[in-house]
Amino acid sequence: AQSVSQHNHHVILSEAASLELGCNYSYGGTVNLFWYVQYPGQHLQLLLKYFSGDPLVKGIKGFEAEFIKSKFSFNLRKPSVQWSDTAEYFCAVTRFSGGYNKLIFGAGTRLAVHP
Amino acid sequence: SAVISQKPSRDICQRGTSLTIQCQVDSQVTMMFWYRQQPGQSLTLIATANQGSEATYESGFVIDKFPISRPNLTFSTLTVSNMSPEDSSIYLCSVEGSGTSTDTQYFGPGTRLTVL
Repeated sequence: AQSVSQHNHHVILSEAASLELGCNYSYGGTVNLFWYVQYPGQHLQLLLKYFSGDPLVKGIKGFEAEFIKSKFSFNLRKPSVQWSDTAEYFCAVTRFSGGYNKLIFGAGTRLAVHP
Repeated sequence: SAVISQKPSRDICQRGTSLTIQCQVDSQVTMMFWYRQQPGQSLTLIATANQGSEATYESGFVIDKFPISRPNLTFSTLTVSNMSPEDSSIYLCSVEGSGTSTDTQYFGPGTRLTVL
């Protein structure tokens, strides 16, 4: 069965530190990859996505992610985090089944950024 | 992206009762999805609701427990039936984007359900 693994469940950083959140998926076919973010008290928002083309994709708020097909990975990065980046981050992969794309989510990573 | 609203935003219910959650979208969409996010866990797809047809349920979810309606292209309901404390979760609906974003899902604010 297709699955998504996020290696870090909790990450604590100081402001201006660099961030990298790992995401690996298990599916050999064509995939669409997503990172969603859930800020405290807010609903799930799309951060960035990869369908095809340049494997380095840029999203909102200075985030980027790199798709490495050989490693089945789609890690999220930000060179310098801010306190406002405190949130939960979810990696997700679509699986085409039954005529439509189904999202499979990772367990999520809680990021806390201290001033 | 579509604007999605859900009602109620939260509720506290007694064991054995049922709750119907509404999801309203500000534009017509073909596919709507219902997810559950249990405390401290990730999102799990419950079912997919396509207007004009029966909902399609994922493994581990059944229609008797989670009946879904999809009367038109902007609205859907999910009912959590005969609730138990294990049903305490956040329930979210999502829709596929339009135009060039049909492969992307956008989420509503969620309904936080607590069952006593």
